[in-house]
Amino acid sequence: TQLLEQSPQFLSIQEGENLTVYCNSSSVFSSLQWYRQEPGEGPVLLVTVVTGGEVKKLKRLTFQFGDARKDSSLHITAAQPGDTGLYLCAGVGAGNNRKLIWGLGTSLAVNP
Amino acid sequence: NAGVTQTPKFRILKIGQSMTLQCTQDMNHNYMYWYRQDPGMGLKLIYYSVGAGITDKGEVPNGYNVSRSTTEDFPLRLELAAPSQTSVYFCASAIVGGYTFGSGTRLTVV
Repeated sequence: TQLLEQSPQFLSIQEGENLTVYCNSSSVFSSLQWYRQEPGEGPVLLVTVVTGGEVKKLKRLTFQFGDARKDSSLHITAAQPGDTGLYLCAGVGAGNNRKLIWGLGTSLAVNP
Repeated sequence: NAGVTQTPKFRILKIGQSMTLQCTQDMNHNYMYWYRQDPGMGLKLIYYSVGAGITDKGEVPNGYNVSRSTTEDFPLRLELAAPSQTSVYFCASAIVGGYTFGSGTRLTVV
């Protein structure tokens, strides 16, 4: 069974701080996706990483896919209150009808 | 472009009642999914569909049914509602590269 473990589970920081969220597995994924979910809404896709070692930047967010395609990280620089939300990683296995393997998420609170 | 639309937004059901959660997408995506999300438990796949006329069970299908008569619509049917079905339900559609989610239905069974 493929599993994705996210850490930390909860994170509360002050505005302006940096943070990193991790997504780890013992399985290889063909690609990995990151989503952000705000209260009362569905998850919204932030990025998809496909190539081992790939780094993608989205403004203050930096996403990295591990060389072996088993893990990923999300780094936020100078966090802002608008970054508050649940961050979810999801992996795409091989040939599984695009079903995703989901982590449980990291709940981030950025305090003004 | 509305994306994925779910109705209703909220619903309270009594034990034993039935209901249908509606999901419509206007992006012509073949792949559609139903999830439930419970606190601390993550997203659990209920049913999915790879195209009109084709559906398959996910991780937690018991107590639910789906149909996919058109590309656009993927309704989820709850028969004989139970308190264990209290949850937030999300519908999603997908192409290569990522999912688009609806805004969810919060269901309470009392």
